[in-house]
Amino acid sequence: NAGVTQTPKFRVLKTGQSMTLLCAQDMNHEYMYWYRQDPGMGLRLIHYSVGEGTTAKGEVPDGYNVSRLKKQNFLLGLESAAPSQTSVYFCASSWGQGPPYFGPGTRLTVT
Amino acid sequence: AQRVTQPEKLLSVFKGAPVELKCNYSYSGSPELFWYVQYSRQRLQLLLRHISRESIKGFTADLNKGETSFHLKKPFAQEEDSAMYYCALRGANSKLTFGKGITLSVRP
Repeated sequence: NAGVTQTPKFRVLKTGQSMTLLCAQDMNHEYMYWYRQDPGMGLRLIHYSVGEGTTAKGEVPDGYNVSRLKKQNFLLGLESAAPSQTSVYFCASSWGQGPPYFGPGTRLTVT
Repeated sequence: AQRVTQPEKLLSVFKGAPVELKCNYSYSGSPELFWYVQYSRQRLQLLLRHISRESIKGFTADLNKGETSFHLKKPFAQEEDSAMYYCALRGANSKLTFGKGITLSVRP
């Protein structure tokens, strides 16, 4: 039982490049979330999903897209990376009204 | 709209001193509230949720609907409590919103 995993752990991108971050959970959770964590800003919700095939915008969705084609996976895409997207990205998942569990994070640097 | 406010960025106390980390929320319905802890560069770990009313690592938190608060308390701080603490609210739409967090530093 791996819980919530994130791939990759670290990545450096050049401005304008694209990439996809993968979040996977093996707990059969319905809800999944993507956050970014920046100093002094706390965790800000980018997008979230309440079930397979559904997604919704959070507080800071611009510049990001997501997909939830399979229940266990939640993908976060950056189509054209910008230095402002340098951050640590966390994924979380939960079932029904259970508490959300977090992944280990992905540290992304955009130069 | 739902909002979580953690009014302080840093709390520094000596070992053995009491700790209170403040959390206020804004939400029109019945919220679900959580406290998470993050040790240096690690993932967030669930510390408490208001419906469980349990004590974890000596920490407790009580939901005060009148004051819309969910403050985290511990009577005697330990050095290993030094970490970042986040308060979070989940609304009826399952959206999970966090405060900006507070750094707790416990000095020997």
